[in-house]
Amino acid sequence: SQQGEEDPQALSIQEGENATMNCSYKTSINNLQWYRQNSGRGLVHLILIRSNEREKHSGRLRVTLDTSKKSSSLLITASRAADTASYFCATGPPWGDNQGGKLIFGQGTELSVKP
Amino acid sequence: ETGVTQSPTHLIKTRGQQVTLRCSSQSGHNTVSWYQQALGQGPQFIFQYYREEENGRGNFPPRFSGLQFPNYSSELNVNALELDDSALYLCASSPRQGAYEQYFGPGTRLTVT
Repeated sequence: SQQGEEDPQALSIQEGENATMNCSYKTSINNLQWYRQNSGRGLVHLILIRSNEREKHSGRLRVTLDTSKKSSSLLITASRAADTASYFCATGPPWGDNQGGKLIFGQGTELSVKP
Repeated sequence: ETGVTQSPTHLIKTRGQQVTLRCSSQSGHNTVSWYQQALGQGPQFIFQYYREEENGRGNFPPRFSGLQFPNYSSELNVNALELDDSALYLCASSPRQGAYEQYFGPGTRLTVT
């Protein structure tokens, strides 16, 4: 079963614009991660934010986490054509939850950046 | 590139057959997880292996089984293949057990006819 719901399902922007993707989840978490996937290939880890953090930056990426609303957002600033990909959020279960390494992924946002 | 490799790249099998998929983890990583990704969906967790022991399992039937070897490479075995098993199978390694950042291989595309 998939925990996260991503919004929007698809996003089309021009190069240089910012892209914002949102993720909502249902249960308590230890961390939330964002991954990128190009054309049905392997996923690339972008950033991890822990449940006690509210915002994190990495290069052109900014992630926020609101555990009271069970939601996160990923902002990509000054987008490039190479950012075209599917983006997934994934949640890790809380400490002590006997689910091993079970990351639960959302269904993804398909981002298209036009040159 | 993550350093995680998977073989084969593509595979076509017939319903009822058995299949083995292989994964070599990134150097220094002792944990391997397997995911199934159907077309247009996010990956679904199958199981995780840590130091050759299963360390958590998702909602998959027993005909999905796995192994991890002393060099931390891993196999995913699926028996009695069904049409719905057609998917991209992803292997991911990480330097520690649990649900932390994972490094994915390129995947094996399995088609069951």
